Amino acid sequence: EVQLVESGGGLVQPGGSLRLSCAASGFTFSSYGMSWVRQAPGKGLEWVANIKEAGGEKYYVDSVRGRFTISRDNAKNSLHLQMDSLRAEDTAVYYCARTPGRGGSDYWGQGTLVTVSS
Amino acid sequence: QSALTQPASVSGSPGKSITISCTGTSSDVGGYNFVSWYQQHPGKAPKLIIHDVINRPSGVSSRLSGSKSGNTASLTISGLQAEDEADYYCSSYTSSTTFVFGTGTKVTVL
Repeated sequence: EVQLVESGGGLVQPGGSLRLSCAASGFTFSSYGMSWVRQAPGKGLEWVANIKEAGGEKYYVDSVRGRFTISRDNAKNSLHLQMDSLRAEDTAVYYCARTPGRGGSDYWGQGTLVTVSS
Repeated sequence: QSALTQPASVSGSPGKSITISCTGTSSDVGGYNFVSWYQQHPGKAPKLIIHDVINRPSGVSSRLSGSKSGNTASLTISGLQAEDEADYYCSSYTSSTTFVFGTGTKVTVL
């Protein structure tokens, strides 16, 4: 059974940093691209970042490029999102999702809440 | 990277059909057959229901179907049931090698 479990969310002050993790199991992690998607409270989904299978190709939404870094450890079946220079507008539930290709993300975690507030 | 445009809400009676539109540009929806649809119930994670414009993942009801014409993709739910009441989001791959989601549609079963 495919499982994705996010962790690392919490309350952080504006300008601060946070590192999210996603533990994957039930599939060959190194064979799949992975994504982070966020959802602000009461709002819609927003794609944040994507990383290819080997980790060499990474893509970001404009609003986080230069502040967020997506990475993966295929030996540990884990996905990460390093978030720096956090802003109030980054407050959201962050989901990790398995993204086999360009056609969609087929498995999602339950999400971890990030709150940026003083 | 502007969000794809969806109607804010769509409603229908049990047993009827509804269609949700998802309008983008030639740089996303119109340029690729990489449109996906997600269903999200309150407090839950999104669930993939359509990928690559028309394909249903295993286990997804055949009452759900996807299509595309030009820059607009559509999701049709036929034989509407109470369990279909949820938020629905489209998504597309883009020419910037990124992804973009739609604004979301709340489906209400009357």
